[in-house]
Amino acid sequence: GENVEQHPSTLSVQEGDSAVIKCTYSDSASNYFPWYKQELGKRPQLIIDIRSNVGEKKDQRIAVTLNKTAKHFSLHITETQPEDSAVYFCAASRLSSGSARQLTFGSGTQLTVLP
Amino acid sequence: DTAVSQTPKYLVTQMGNDKSIKCEQNLGHDTMYWYKQDSKKFLKIMFSYNNKELIINETVPNRFSPKSPDKAHLNLHINSLELGDSAVYFCASSSGRGVEKPEQFFGPGTRLTVL
Repeated sequence: GENVEQHPSTLSVQEGDSAVIKCTYSDSASNYFPWYKQELGKRPQLIIDIRSNVGEKKDQRIAVTLNKTAKHFSLHITETQPEDSAVYFCAASRLSSGSARQLTFGSGTQLTVLP
Repeated sequence: DTAVSQTPKYLVTQMGNDKSIKCEQNLGHDTMYWYKQDSKKFLKIMFSYNNKELIINETVPNRFSPKSPDKAHLNLHINSLELGDSAVYFCASSSGRGVEKPEQFFGPGTRLTVL
C-alpha cells in the first residue's frame, strides 16, 4: 500500500517568513495530493490540492509543487501570519472513476508562526 | 447548515462498554469515511462507504462496525471498548465522482475517552 512520509514534524518561523513542508510517497500510481490544515481541537480542512498532471499550483500565499519522478511534493506558505499556526497534513491517493479512494496521510507538521 | 456533522462531540465511557458515534452529511455526497486520529495526531482511514456499500475496510478490530442506513448517514458502533480505542474519530464525505471531485470534507470529530 501507499506510504507517505512528512518532514519536518515541527517548524517554527518568524511572522512574515516563508515555511516549507515536504512529503514523499511510495506508490507511483498515486495521482492526487491534498494538503489539510488542522487547528487545535478542530477538524482537518482542505487548503490546497494538486493532481499528478500538474507540477505546481498556487492559491494566494499557499503553493504546492509536485515532482512525480522523485515522488515528492511540498507545501509553501509565504508571508506567514500567526493564524497560519496549525498542524499541516499532506496526503496521497490514487484517483479513478467510481467510488471511494482512500487518503493516506503523512504524520503531520506542527507549524508555529512567532509574532 | 453544517456540511458534515457528528454526535456526540465528546464521549467518556468505561472499558467494556458499547458506544455509537453518528455522522450525517448534507452535501449530497455518495461516499463517507471514518478516520481515527490518535494521540500523536496520526490520521488513519478505518472504513469507507459508497452509496451504503462498504468499499474500504482497513485492518480494524471487528469490535468496530460501521452502518450506513442511507447515503447521508454513516454511524460507527464500537463494542467492548478498550483503553486503546481512546482517540478522536472523524467522519468525512466526498462526491462519488472520484476523479472529478475528490475533495474530502471532515466532520468536527468525536473525542472518545475510555477509562
